[in-house]
Order: sequence, then C-alpha cells, then structure tokens
Amino acid sequence: ETGVTQSPTHLIKTRGQQVTLRCSSQSGHNTVSWYQQALGQGPQFIFQYYREEENGRGNFPPRFSGLQFPNYSSELNVNALELDDSALYLCASSVGQSEKLFFGSGTQLSVL
Amino acid sequence: QQQVKQSPQSLIVQKGGISIINCAYENTAFDYFPWYQQFPGKGPALLIAIRPDVSEKKEGRFTISFNKSAKQFSLHIMDSQPGDSATYFCAASDHARGGADGLTFGKGTHLIIQP
Repeated sequence: ETGVTQSPTHLIKTRGQQVTLRCSSQSGHNTVSWYQQALGQGPQFIFQYYREEENGRGNFPPRFSGLQFPNYSSELNVNALELDDSALYLCASSVGQSEKLFFGSGTQLSVL
Repeated sequence: QQQVKQSPQSLIVQKGGISIINCAYENTAFDYFPWYQQFPGKGPALLIAIRPDVSEKKEGRFTISFNKSAKQFSLHIMDSQPGDSATYFCAASDHARGGADGLTFGKGTHLIIQP
C-alpha cells in the first residue's frame, strides 16, 4: 500500500508567477485536502475535493484553485504568487467523509 | 481568529517523564479532536483522536483527556522517550459539516525528550 506522495519536494518561484503542486492519494482514498503550513505554525485548511468537486474551502483567495482527477490524484494551483505564499503545502487523503487524514511530506514553496 | 489555542509552545522533558500538552477550543460545534505528530521534513501523522462523548482515551503510552464543559483537551505522553521528540499539533473539526471546514490546527508544541 503506497502512502500519499507529493511532487515536487521543493520549489522556488518569483513573485507574480504561477505554480502547480501535485499529489497522489493513498491507495483506496477518494478524498483529497490541501493545507498550507507556514514556518512555526500549524497547517491551515485550503480546500477539499471529493468526487472531483470542491466540497469545502478555508479562508484562501480565489487565486488558490485545485483539481481532482478520476484516479483521485490532485493538483493545487496558485496564481500571482506573493511573498507570503512561501510555506509547506501539505496534501492529505482520506476515505469519503472520514476525518482520519493521511498527510504527504509536503512541497516546500519559496517565493522570492 | 484562532479557534484552537495550544500550549506550551515548547517543552523539555526528561526521559521516562510525562509530557503534557494542552489545547482549548472556542467552537462548540467541534466534535472530533485529533492529535498529530510531525517530524522534521515529514507531514503530520495521526497519533490519537477523541470524540466529546468520552472524557479519556488511551492508546499505549498516549492518552487524551477531554473536558467538554471547559472546552479543553490535553495529550499526555507517559514514559517519554527520545524518539518522541517532535512537534505535536492538536486539531478539531465539525464532522457534521462533512469536512467542509477541514481540520483547525493549533500552533504546535515542540517537544524535546532529554536522554
């Protein structure tokens, strides 16, 4: 059984650019959530996808968007990057509406 | 507005001692309270979780104590070991909303177990 995998592990972008982060769910999991973890802080909920539709969203602007594919993998897209977007982005998968989340190791994004 | 307040920010415990981390929440709709453990370079991993219908849950050396009236819950690590050195996060969610609001995390506690 494979766990949640995220790519890339590290990324450096310039302010104003766009970025796409990828996530493969744990086998058998059909729900994906994305979290942003700033340095020294707890993760903050960005959004959740279930059956390829967004079914929950935290307090993040529309320039944060996502996709879930038929194989349950997912993408997080961030447009018009800002310096404050520098953070660890975590993907978590789960089964249906289960609260039991399994996190990947994250993508460390640095915006210069 | 931070809805889950966690303390202390950092904690040093001697090997074999008891580590205690506390959290307080504001939203009375929360009905699921997990604790996550995070090692450097890794994502958080679920350690133990509790629902408000019980006051305590124990799994091995880890125990959650829950006080619904005070809106507080805590993690106790018995016989703390150097391998327990990590950052611990409490979290909460409203299951009735089906994940629409995700998990609300505390700011974390950096735990160091001294040999």
